[in-house]
Amino acid sequence: DVKVTQSSRYLVKRTGEKVFLECVQDMDHENMFWYRQDPGLGLRLIYFSYDVKMKEKGDIPEGYSVSREKKERFSLILESASTNQTSMYLCASSSRTGMGTDTQYFGPGTRLTVL
Amino acid sequence: AQSVTQPDIHITVSEGASLELRCNYSYGATPYLFWYVQSPGQGLQLLLKYFSGDTLVQGIKGFEAEFKRSQSSFNLRKPSVHWSDAAEYFCAVGAISGAGSYQLTFGKGTKLSVIP
Repeated sequence: DVKVTQSSRYLVKRTGEKVFLECVQDMDHENMFWYRQDPGLGLRLIYFSYDVKMKEKGDIPEGYSVSREKKERFSLILESASTNQTSMYLCASSSRTGMGTDTQYFGPGTRLTVL
Repeated sequence: AQSVTQPDIHITVSEGASLELRCNYSYGATPYLFWYVQSPGQGLQLLLKYFSGDTLVQGIKGFEAEFKRSQSSFNLRKPSVHWSDAAEYFCAVGAISGAGSYQLTFGKGTKLSVIP
């Protein structure tokens, strides 16, 4: 079974803090993704990575950065957390056959609250 | 740019009744289409996907979806709903990114409630 794990299920931080969200996958997948999920807005892609040290901006990258130093690990960084970044954050991974049919496998999510 | 519309925000059905969740997409090329389900407090799980061939796709948990190119639709169906199907359902379309990988664009979701 593919497993995607996220370091925390719930996180509470203060405005201005630097926040790290970690994601690890065990299937040797090339692609990894970070989404945020908000009620009524569905999932929106923040960043994705198609290889170690490679990244590409998604639809809403502002206020976020990412790091991928190892294939299995993809980190989302909030440089200076703000209250409008309170959300559910979902990590996903997929293989990269280029066929478009690759399933994305999701982690359980991290619910981040910024006070 | 690609987009996905799920017209129904919330649907309530009785247990044992049939279900159809609507999904319309916009994409210039041959679409790759997915349905995911999210149970409360959980991540997303793939129900089924379409990329070519037979337009009626079978998935897990007794779900199926039909691709209709002429209507740009990919509706999800189940003949008899179980209480455990209560969840949020997301339709998504795959599109190639600048890096050559496929990204998913998701609809806003349809929340399904099941009445015993």
